[in-house]
Amino acid sequence: DAGVIQSPRHEVTEMGQEVTLRCKPISGHNSLFWYRQTMMRGLELLIYFNNNVPIDDSGMPEDRFSAKMPNASFSTLKIQPSEPRDSAVYFCASSTRGQGKTNEKLFFGSGTQLSVL
Amino acid sequence: ELKVEQNPLFLSMQEGKNYTIYCNYSTTSDRLYWYRQDPGKSLESLFVLLSNGAVKQEGRLMASLDTKARLSTLHITAAVHDLSATYFCAVDTQGGSEKLVFGKGTKLTVNP
Repeated sequence: DAGVIQSPRHEVTEMGQEVTLRCKPISGHNSLFWYRQTMMRGLELLIYFNNNVPIDDSGMPEDRFSAKMPNASFSTLKIQPSEPRDSAVYFCASSTRGQGKTNEKLFFGSGTQLSVL
Repeated sequence: ELKVEQNPLFLSMQEGKNYTIYCNYSTTSDRLYWYRQDPGKSLESLFVLLSNGAVKQEGRLMASLDTKARLSTLHITAAVHDLSATYFCAVDTQGGSEKLVFGKGTKLTVNP
């Protein structure tokens, strides 16, 4: 298995531009998570999906952020308009959580390093 | 709201020494995870602890869970340079729901 695949690996954009981050979870995983990592705040859960349905988006900072999961193999996290304070590493993770399995650890993608100038 | 605290946040140690990283959490949970992150890399799962008293070991690392004390420890035995990384603990919210809350991480540096 190729693992969780994120793209792009690096994104540099100017303030005000729209940014779209992409994630392909591991096949067969039914839960998908978007995390943001910064030095100041550590790893923050932004939103998670179960069976393609958003379950909890309470971590989404504000209306500029939106996430979708149109099918079991693809998710996007969009920031519009982007701001310098959005600069961070954004991780996508997937798991089999909610399927009654006990070892429901998260598998993380390589992350997208976002820099908003 | 579940809070997860790790200490220390920074740890510098010499090769061959032993040390323990602590992870405290604020509400009842019976699932705790340890992850490792190398600089500029993703997070790699180390251990999954699923019950009170659980102990897992791999190589020079040993993790344990005390759900009554809401405490997990990650013990490092005879540290080597390759263990230099940031270690995160993460706790399930009650009832095994999908939310996993992470501590801020412990940056470990093992010096020759």
